[in-house]
Amino acid sequence: KQEVTQIPAALSVPEGENLVLNCSFTDSAIYNLQWFRQDPGKGLTSLLLIQSSQREQTSGRLNASLDKSSGRSTLYIAASQPGDSATYLCVAGGQNFVFGPGTRLSVLP
Amino acid sequence: EAGVVQSPRYKIIEKKQPVAFWCNPISGHNTLYWYLQNLGQGPELLIRYENEEAVDDSQLPKDRFSAERLKGVDSTLKIQPAELGDSAVYLCASSPAASASTDTQYFGPGTRLTVL
Repeated sequence: KQEVTQIPAALSVPEGENLVLNCSFTDSAIYNLQWFRQDPGKGLTSLLLIQSSQREQTSGRLNASLDKSSGRSTLYIAASQPGDSATYLCVAGGQNFVFGPGTRLSVLP
Repeated sequence: EAGVVQSPRYKIIEKKQPVAFWCNPISGHNTLYWYLQNLGQGPELLIRYENEEAVDDSQLPKDRFSAERLKGVDSTLKIQPAELGDSAVYLCASSPAASASTDTQYFGPGTRLTVL
């Protein structure tokens, strides 16, 4: 059974810092790995999707990497802004989609 | 393009009462998902539909939960009777492809259920 964990559970940084969020999964037989953002009281918004054959994806200030062999993915956020404050969830997409518990990010002005 | 629509947004009921949630996916999306999200945790899949067929309902507590997706479009998730532990956010999502392995999912805002 796939298990997904995320470290840290919460993170608070001053505006402008670069930061890394970590995601680990136990079963490397995945089709893809996705990162979502969730704002309070709202649904999830897809940020990046990495297919199993890919190593990374980039969108603006976001870069996500995937290492299937070690069961890890990282989300790198450059030059963080207060608007980046949200919960970030990674999802291992295999037979089912298995979510991690999320990292709650606060970017302080 | 309209996103995934869910109603109601909030529901408060007493235990042992029935409750139903409704979801309208993005037009043309064949795959529909219902998730349960507890506070501080990631969503957990309850059921996945491809068109009108439930292809994965292994995590759905079938003694009290039921779902349907008539005509392969809208879907309803029902709980009868509700228990205190059912208090959570119920999320609906949809994706375009019949095979969910390559496409991302688009989520609705969720229904926050409180059982008293």
